Amino acid sequence: LAKTTQPISMDSYEGQEVNITCSHNNIATNDYITWYQQFPSQGPRFIIQGYKTKVTNEVASLFIPADRKSSTLSLPRVSLSDTAVYYCLVPQGSTLGRLYFGRGTQLTVWP
Amino acid sequence: DADVTQTPRNRITKTGKRIMLECSQTKGHDRMYWYRQDPGLGLRLIYYSFDVKDINKGEISDGYSVSRQAQAKFSLSLESAIPNQTALYFCAATGKGEANTGELFFGEGSRLTVL
Repeated sequence: LAKTTQPISMDSYEGQEVNITCSHNNIATNDYITWYQQFPSQGPRFIIQGYKTKVTNEVASLFIPADRKSSTLSLPRVSLSDTAVYYCLVPQGSTLGRLYFGRGTQLTVWP
Repeated sequence: DADVTQTPRNRITKTGKRIMLECSQTKGHDRMYWYRQDPGLGLRLIYYSFDVKDINKGEISDGYSVSRQAQAKFSLSLESAIPNQTALYFCAATGKGEANTGELFFGEGSRLTVL
């Protein structure tokens, strides 16, 4: 099973770039890596998804090294509203669709 | 319109009572999930379903049951609620193709308090 490991918490200041790394040593060949953002009392929201190398959208970038055993979510110039829990999700077997979240990373952005 | 709708949004009940949380989705997703969230513990998978006749246990299924009444509806039941089932419950859905890439659409959550 592609269990994921992330830091429990991170702190940053407004305007800084934040990088959150997730390790997934047992990722399967067909698995994508997906990141979600969750605000208190709300359901998680999709941020970005990737398979290899680099993916960028209007919100974040996702860096995946060649061995795909880790991935790094990069949030450029964070603001107070980026304070949230961030989850890295790797499906537990692409044909079975078991989607296990871990504890996520609590990002706190300070003024 | 929200993809995924949960009812009730909040519920307070007593120990031993039977509780049902309902989930419906409007986008024709075939895969549906129930998660439980406790402070500091992230999201834990309770049950998931790939179609109407398919039900699978997740990480923490003990004390819970589910029913997939139709493709669009997936309900979670607590046959005899206990206080440690007090939590925030989320339903999620995804299409068959999207499940392989992990993109889930979540409901707004149902907060359950068992006294």
